[in-house]
Amino acid sequence: EDQVTQSPEALRLQEGESSSLNCSYTVSGLRGLFWYRQDPGKGPEFLFTLYSAGEEKEKERLKATLTKKESFLHITAPKPEDSATYLCAASYSGGYQKVTFGIGTKLQVIP
Amino acid sequence: EPEVTQTPSHQVTQMGQEVILRCVPISNHLYFYWYRQILGQKVEFLVSFYNNEISEKSEIFDDQFSVERPDGSNFTLKIRSTKLEDSAMYFCASSDPTGGFEKLFFGSGTQLSVL
Repeated sequence: EDQVTQSPEALRLQEGESSSLNCSYTVSGLRGLFWYRQDPGKGPEFLFTLYSAGEEKEKERLKATLTKKESFLHITAPKPEDSATYLCAASYSGGYQKVTFGIGTKLQVIP
Repeated sequence: EPEVTQTPSHQVTQMGQEVILRCVPISNHLYFYWYRQILGQKVEFLVSFYNNEISEKSEIFDDQFSVERPDGSNFTLKIRSTKLEDSAMYFCASSDPTGGFEKLFFGSGTQLSVL
């Protein structure tokens, strides 16, 4: 069964304290790995797409990387406004338009 | 910036009643989706819709569910006879294949409560 697993489920950081979120996937025929941000009461907001191992994408304080088994979302010098739930998701060759989401990591950045 | 809009934001219904959740996807997008998120759980795929027909659906999307694009702008999800376990946040999403169809643009959701 295709699965996306995220860790930790919750993370509390001091402002400026860098860290990484993990996403491991067991998806046969991975087509793409995605990161989304979700604020309370809102729909997920697209951040990054990664297609192949070794690929990296950056946006402001966020950097996403991909290996053959997992992806990391690195947060450098986070600010309180980075507080949100970060969702990892994957699409696979057998599920043409289906995207499978992980449970998410709830990040809290304390001033 | 264009966005996906969903109405209503909250819907309360009695078990066994029919509900229709409405969405206006981004105008130049071609793929439309419904996802749902039960409180504290993962965002789950329900159905994708392309070229006026369902292109894929999950095991959750049984005969009680249907989708329709009644005109050029609206996209609806109907639940014929709601159950308690249908209580969830329902998200509509759309995507543009030129940007990668998995780059989903989500609405803010409809919180459905079945009593």
